[in-house]
Amino acid sequence: DAMVIQNPRYQVTQFGKPVTLSCSQTLNHNVMYWYQQKSSQAPKLLFHYYDKDFNNEADTPDNFQSRRPNTSFCFLDIRSPGLGDAAMYLCATSRDQDKKQYFGPGTRLTVT
Amino acid sequence: KNEVEQSPQNLTAQEGEFITINCSYSVGISALHWLQQHPGGGIVSLFMLSSGKKKHGRLIATINIQEKHSSLHITASHPRDSAVYICAVPNSGGSNYKLTFGKGTLLTVNP
Repeated sequence: DAMVIQNPRYQVTQFGKPVTLSCSQTLNHNVMYWYQQKSSQAPKLLFHYYDKDFNNEADTPDNFQSRRPNTSFCFLDIRSPGLGDAAMYLCATSRDQDKKQYFGPGTRLTVT
Repeated sequence: KNEVEQSPQNLTAQEGEFITINCSYSVGISALHWLQQHPGGGIVSLFMLSSGKKKHGRLIATINIQEKHSSLHITASHPRDSAVYICAVPNSGGSNYKLTFGKGTLLTVNP
């Protein structure tokens, strides 16, 4: 059974048109992460939530926002996608900040 | 920041061969992750280990904390094992949730 679910798996959006990516988990983990992975590159951490506490990485553009309405769900909002935001977006969860991270299948975002 | 080096970068094997992928890191850690990513796909966490050895099916991961080195072994490799294998370690200092990823090893197993 899937433990970290991402929807949609593929998303196409237009330049400048806001888009929301969704992540849900059945593990009841405290921590949820969002990573951006561009082609042939390592994943880059955008931000993470520890419970309701939001932790933004210093180099994450303001264009990227996140919401965590409850333990199970976390959303990534891209307010005005640019061509450079086309990437795989990975959600991950862990029971605590130093524990094993469980990754979702990712959402591949295309910006036209 | 922890520096992570993986070798080899690319590895081609014949079905059935024993595979070894190596990972070295620069700063002492509490645990190390091995991840698998199929081309164009998401990431699967294979192991998180802090000492000794772990085994899951045909996959074996070992770590030597003193030498700052880990290996991932695949026994009786199969074409479906073809993927990128990534080693990741926590950053040093207080931000141990933040992982530093190796560049990955692209494994191709031919039938």
